[in-house]
Amino acid sequence: DVKVTQSSRYLVKRTGEKVFLECVQDMDHENMFWYRQDPGLGLRLIYFSYDVKMKEKGDIPEGYSVSREKKERFSLILESASTNQTSMYLCASSSPSRARAPQHFGDGTRLSIL
Amino acid sequence: GQQLNQSPQSMFIQEGEDVSMNCTSSSIFNTWLWYKQDPGEGPVLLIALYKAGELTSNGRLTAQFGITRKDSFLNISASIPSDVGIYFCAGQLRQGSGNTPLVFGKGTRLSVIA
Repeated sequence: DVKVTQSSRYLVKRTGEKVFLECVQDMDHENMFWYRQDPGLGLRLIYFSYDVKMKEKGDIPEGYSVSREKKERFSLILESASTNQTSMYLCASSSPSRARAPQHFGDGTRLSIL
Repeated sequence: GQQLNQSPQSMFIQEGEDVSMNCTSSSIFNTWLWYKQDPGEGPVLLIALYKAGELTSNGRLTAQFGITRKDSFLNISASIPSDVGIYFCAGQLRQGSGNTPLVFGKGTRLSVIA
């Protein structure tokens, strides 16, 4: 089974802090994704990565950056956290080299910015 | 960014009733996926569809890939309390998990009254 692990289930930070959300997958997947989920808005793509050291902006990249130094790990960074970044953050991974292998999600990190 | 039109937004049903929800798009997709999200958890894949007209079942769940490739529906038969959650549809332009992010619907929140 695919395992996508997010380092924290719940996180509370203060405005202006630099925040790191970590995601690790154990299936050697090339693709990794970061989404945020807000009530009534569904899942919105922040950033994704096709390979180590590669990154692509999603629909809402402002205020975020990412790092992919190793294939299994994809980090989301809030450079200077703001209250409007309070949300549920979901990481996912997939493999384009495997036919019919859809995205699998982690359990999410519920982030509160005070 | 692009989003799918998913309906209904929410449903309240009696235990034992059948449920139907659908997603439509102005774009053609080559893959349709249905996920379920339990409270406080990440989305879990229920059914994946890869061919127009395909009808696939997973226990009490049945999903179909619309013949126009612009829609999909999910049916749940004889609902039970553990069916409670948010159901998301997702479309992908390329088959499988190729380097094209998923486009998500906003979700259908299902409540089951015992």
